[in-house]
Amino acid sequence: GAGVSQSPSNKVTEKGKDVELRCDPISGHTALYWYRQSLGQGLEFLIYFQGNSAPDKSGLPSDRFSAERTGGSVSTLTIQRTQQEDSAVYLCASSLRPGAGGTEAFFGQGTRLTVV
Amino acid sequence: AQSVTQPDIHITVSEGASLELRCNYSYGATPYLFWYVQSPGQGLQLLLKYFSGDTLVQGIKGFEAEFKRSQSSFNLRKPSVHWSDAAEYFCAVAFTGGGNKLTFGTGTQLKVEL
Repeated sequence: GAGVSQSPSNKVTEKGKDVELRCDPISGHTALYWYRQSLGQGLEFLIYFQGNSAPDKSGLPSDRFSAERTGGSVSTLTIQRTQQEDSAVYLCASSLRPGAGGTEAFFGQGTRLTVV
Repeated sequence: AQSVTQPDIHITVSEGASLELRCNYSYGATPYLFWYVQSPGQGLQLLLKYFSGDTLVQGIKGFEAEFKRSQSSFNLRKPSVHWSDAAEYFCAVAFTGGGNKLTFGTGTQLKVEL
């Protein structure tokens, strides 16, 4: 597609429910990132996928958070047993394979998650 | 651990005035440096980036930034601000070998007075 696509754009869920957020990266981009943007914490890195390599999960805040990337393309971020502090905007980004010179990450519009 | 500081949470300028947004980073080597802009309800758009070479980089929308190694700074500038520049601006760093994971500053909210 023309850009990074995220769905849904907005999600309201009850505390304790599981949610899935989807990201469609730009075609041909092998690197995919998830970030979280919240009032108290700013923009935080969550997880990074590069090709078929094991993902870098160092930013996931708890074991309630997980993500997968199927076929090297679409990614799903899953939050289990949601808590109110999970309320945030979840941003996905993709880029070409990071090389010696670095490459630009293109961001989606985000999914605004509200836990009530 | 690397960190990014944007000391100004809010800045208000008059349209047509010059702008400088400050960014300082903490890292043992020269990182990759970025400025992103986020308009309300929108994702992040890259304004400019520095990887190496000329320390003054030009970006989109008339923005530029200067990397100063001695000050660990990467300040964003624009000579004449337009009302449409009102947005939130984020400085970010990535380190070599880190897969371009970005560490963001807390952002500066820019208001433009007409």
